[in-house]
Amino acid sequence: DGGITQSPKYLFRKEGQNVTLSCEQNLNHDAMYWYRQDPGQGLRLIYYSQIVNDFQKGDIAEGYSVSREKKESFPLTVTSAQKNPTAFYLCASSIQGLGQPQHFGDGTRLSIL
Amino acid sequence: GESVGLHLPTLSVQEGDNSIINCAYSNSASDYFIWYKQESGKGPQFIIDIRSNMDKRQGQRVTVLLNKTVKHLSLQIAATQPGDSAVYFCAENIGNNDMRFGAGTRLTVKP
Repeated sequence: DGGITQSPKYLFRKEGQNVTLSCEQNLNHDAMYWYRQDPGQGLRLIYYSQIVNDFQKGDIAEGYSVSREKKESFPLTVTSAQKNPTAFYLCASSIQGLGQPQHFGDGTRLSIL
Repeated sequence: GESVGLHLPTLSVQEGDNSIINCAYSNSASDYFIWYKQESGKGPQFIIDIRSNMDKRQGQRVTVLLNKTVKHLSLQIAATQPGDSAVYFCAENIGNNDMRFGAGTRLTVKP
């Protein structure tokens, strides 16, 4: 089955540590996205990538970094500069072009030790 | 600023009844809208979408209505079942695939 796989499902970060969240898709989608979900709030865009080797900052990029070396992979690193990293992180992908639905993975819940 | 919102944060319905979940948007330039369902601990699941040149679209047991005059979007679920219990949220495309998401409405189906 085609889909988006996020790992790990749960992740714990120690103070001063960088952690990397994995996102892999086999839908052959060009565009990929990272969102942060906090209780009672809508999804907020961290970074997005419309094509391999290119990505742009979203609304809350500070303290995060990404790479897009392969079409199917879009890992997100939560750096020690992100002072409030506890959240549910969602990766999505879509076909390139206007008005295309984004399809989501099942998320990674990041907590602070 | 302009944002996607919801009228009700929670909705409780009896099994078998119809459910209506509402969403207000304020960006008149939005041309594409999506409804998602999110179960606890899982990612959002696409339910149905609608483009701004339409005012109604039907899927299996779901209907989305778009009223551009009052900038209102609704999701109707027919014969609601316990498996429909989840958070439902709308999303609007404000341009260049920039999607904005509402916080969601929690639907609870009582047996």
